[in-house]
Amino acid sequence: GAVVSQHPSWVICKSGTSVKIECRSLDFQATTMFWYRQFPKQSLMLMATSNEGSKATYEQGVEKDKFLINHASLTLSTLTVTSAHPEDSSFYICSALSSNQPQHFGDGTRLSIL
Amino acid sequence: DQQVKQNSPSLSVQEGRISILNCDYTNSMFDYFLWYKKYPAEGPTFLISISSIKDKNEDGRFTVFLNKSAKHLSLHIVPSQPGDSAVYFCAARDFNKFYFGSGTKLNVKP
Repeated sequence: GAVVSQHPSWVICKSGTSVKIECRSLDFQATTMFWYRQFPKQSLMLMATSNEGSKATYEQGVEKDKFLINHASLTLSTLTVTSAHPEDSSFYICSALSSNQPQHFGDGTRLSIL
Repeated sequence: DQQVKQNSPSLSVQEGRISILNCDYTNSMFDYFLWYKKYPAEGPTFLISISSIKDKNEDGRFTVFLNKSAKHLSLHIVPSQPGDSAVYFCAARDFNKFYFGSGTKLNVKP
């Protein structure tokens, strides 16, 4: 089946560091990729939607300058958390969507900011 | 305001019995509904889906029921197996955007 690879799976870094998370669709071309954030015992909260070659669409309340999204190709999207602080610690999950298919998720990235 | 709600955070079922997971939604524009299964430290895995023009979809042990008038979705697993123990998320699509419930943790006891 369709596979989405997300890397890294776990990051621990100091406050003020910028962290890049990659999301790749391995065996299909993703017309759209989504970035979610999940807090403990809560739902997946959509942060942004990105289409290849165009600017990402951010959900209300998500800072564009804080969470930079680049969707350079039909198989790769990146999320960069800039100048991360402890409140940015969370579980980030990407998903990829191609036509007529349900979206497929990566395994997520646990980000811990000290 | 959450448009997709799973009001039961957890469910415990005996092996071999039926598991019924429920989901309610508020947006009548949702046209496609999905269930995902999630194990710890992994991303959600697609399980089964249903279009808004149908009221039932079956795939092996998994059946999804849709009651549009009640804006209610349910997933039936029968017979339940210990390997089904996981967190189950329902999701709904409005155009190209997906909304998720908060998940129900299913525990199937041997």
